[in-house]
Amino acid sequence: EAQVTQNPRYLITVTGKKLTVTCSQNMNHEYMSWYRQDPGLGLRQIYYSMNVEVTDKGDVPEGYKVSRKEKRNFPLILESPSPNQTSLYFCASSLILAGGTDTQYFGPGTRLTVL
Amino acid sequence: SQQGEEDPQALSIQEGENATMNCSYKTSINNLQWYRQNSGRGLVHLILIRSNEREKHSGRLRVTLDTSKKSSSLLITASRAADTASYFCATGHSGAGSYQLTFGKGTKLSVIP
Repeated sequence: EAQVTQNPRYLITVTGKKLTVTCSQNMNHEYMSWYRQDPGLGLRQIYYSMNVEVTDKGDVPEGYKVSRKEKRNFPLILESPSPNQTSLYFCASSLILAGGTDTQYFGPGTRLTVL
Repeated sequence: SQQGEEDPQALSIQEGENATMNCSYKTSINNLQWYRQNSGRGLVHLILIRSNEREKHSGRLRVTLDTSKKSSSLLITASRAADTASYFCATGHSGAGSYQLTFGKGTKLSVIP
């Protein structure tokens, strides 16, 4: 079954404790992306990746890191989480079309709370 | 950021009525995509319309794109209670080899049985 998986689904942590949210897709997609969703703000793109070892900042990259060492995986790293990073996080993947991205396939989301 | 903006923010209709949601954006795009989200769950893709297309259909969904006005609309015909969800538009744009995708804040649709 074609899917994007994220782990963990729920996480409560404390300020400053490094964490990683994993994302994996089994569709051989070149494009992968992380979003955060906050009430009243919609989805905002954090980072995206066009392919292995190619990453770029989205609209809200501060406080986050990513890596793309393998095509299927795109982990999101919070080196020193702060309470303003409490949010619902989504990973997504897609093919790349000529001149743009294709349909995004979304993971189920990770609800992160930073105390 | 050329964030798309949906209008209205919230819409409440009776089952069987049509629902229309609009999306406006600021700069040139390659394509525009509509997604649906049920309360706190992952987004599900509905329709992708390219910048050289004006209208697309999928079942009870109809999407139009007017690049001169930088706007798009999503029409859901004969709505059902199961259509209750939030709907988002996302604009795809590229520049200098990058492919950023920007979502709007969404329209929350409530379909009353």
